[in-house]
Amino acid sequence: SQQGEEDPQALSIQEGENATMNCSYKTSINNLQWYRQNSGRGLVHLILIRSNEREKHSGRLRVTLDTSKKSSSLLITASRAADTASYFCATVNTNAGKSTFGDGTTLTVKP
Amino acid sequence: EPEVTQTPSHQVTQMGQEVILRCVPISNHLYFYWYRQILGQKVEFLVSFYNNEISEKSEIFDDQFSVERPDGSNFTLKIRSTKLEDSAMYFCASSGQLSGNTIYFGEGSWLTVV
Repeated sequence: SQQGEEDPQALSIQEGENATMNCSYKTSINNLQWYRQNSGRGLVHLILIRSNEREKHSGRLRVTLDTSKKSSSLLITASRAADTASYFCATVNTNAGKSTFGDGTTLTVKP
Repeated sequence: EPEVTQTPSHQVTQMGQEVILRCVPISNHLYFYWYRQILGQKVEFLVSFYNNEISEKSEIFDDQFSVERPDGSNFTLKIRSTKLEDSAMYFCASSGQLSGNTIYFGEGSWLTVV
């Protein structure tokens, strides 16, 4: 399996519910970033969490990082139909600064 | 908020033709990247660029690809002889620091090779 694998692959919820997406990775990282992508559009940066951080909040987003388990989670609270998109985690390693993306989770929020 | 801009948004080209995709990174950033995303697949790293040279490249970034920073603002990706399998969305990205800083992506250039 590859660096930055998200699960589930697809998630469908009702508006107002919370959505949790997970990401696992294999090698050491400097930081981990979450992105949103609407169909056919660019990657919108959501949040960056550094390897020495455990949790970070931004509005309705909460990201956790467990470096011992090499995993991260993204929680979107009180979801809205506009949150419908694909969500990717991307790890940045300690050397070159490139991002390695996972396959993404496709979130559908039904009104 | 500052943003990475890319042109063209969509280009259709004949197989074997050369294509240049252009990017204007965020002005105070020093690190530049190209990624691609084949339809329905994950985003793949192509190349990173710092201090006027390639700092890392992937297996995808073979001899048909090249990057250039011709002036103080533009960052280009050239595909010398396009193949059908080069059809993808190409994303430019930039960051202000090698590690620990946010990597910002452009809206992408959709390349269709026919």
